[in-house]
Amino acid sequence: ILNVEQSPQSLHVQEGDSTNFTCSFPSSNFYALHWYRWETAKSPEALFVMTLNGDEKKKGRISATLNTKEGYSYLYIKGSQPEDSATYLCASQSTGNQFYFGTGTSLTVIP
Amino acid sequence: NAGVMQNPRHLVRRRGQEARLRCSPMKGHSHVYWYRQLPEEGLKFMVYLQKENIIDESGMPKERFSAEFPKEGPSILRIQQVVRGDSAAYFCASSRTEPNEKLFFGSGTQLSVL
Repeated sequence: ILNVEQSPQSLHVQEGDSTNFTCSFPSSNFYALHWYRWETAKSPEALFVMTLNGDEKKKGRISATLNTKEGYSYLYIKGSQPEDSATYLCASQSTGNQFYFGTGTSLTVIP
Repeated sequence: NAGVMQNPRHLVRRRGQEARLRCSPMKGHSHVYWYRQLPEEGLKFMVYLQKENIIDESGMPKERFSAEFPKEGPSILRIQQVVRGDSAAYFCASSRTEPNEKLFFGSGTQLSVL
């Protein structure tokens, strides 16, 4: 079982601030890195899937980058809004198609 | 296209009883994953199944826990002789076979053991 780590554990930012969080993962048997957004009382929903070193993905104000050589990914949120408040999970997908999740970063955007 | 369906949403059992959690994957999805979320913790991998096959059960306790994904019908996570420590939220996710496919999650089953 792979050890995926996320930091920080929680984050409070003011509306309009930009923020970023980190996901680190082991390089062994790595296939892809996933980011999920998990709102309270809902199910996790996929944001991005990245496989190649240097990959960058963007969806609106949210973007992500991938560095497979050093084993980390960043998630960026530009101009945070209250509706961005959620837990952001990353998951490392192995070559055997298993998915291992980090413990998440809980983001609270204060109006 | 219905999403991943889990039932029941809430399940209460007394110590020593059996718990059966069901997961119907999205249409066209042949991969099913079960995760357990304990309070203040993230999603812990339990088992990965394809139709009629257990691919990886390395995250599942060796005793009392079993999982199946039959040719017809939902995937079942079965916990025998439940103990209080089994109380948790159990999430199921499914995906298609193609590479880079994301996971689609069910709403989870909250198991409470009295």
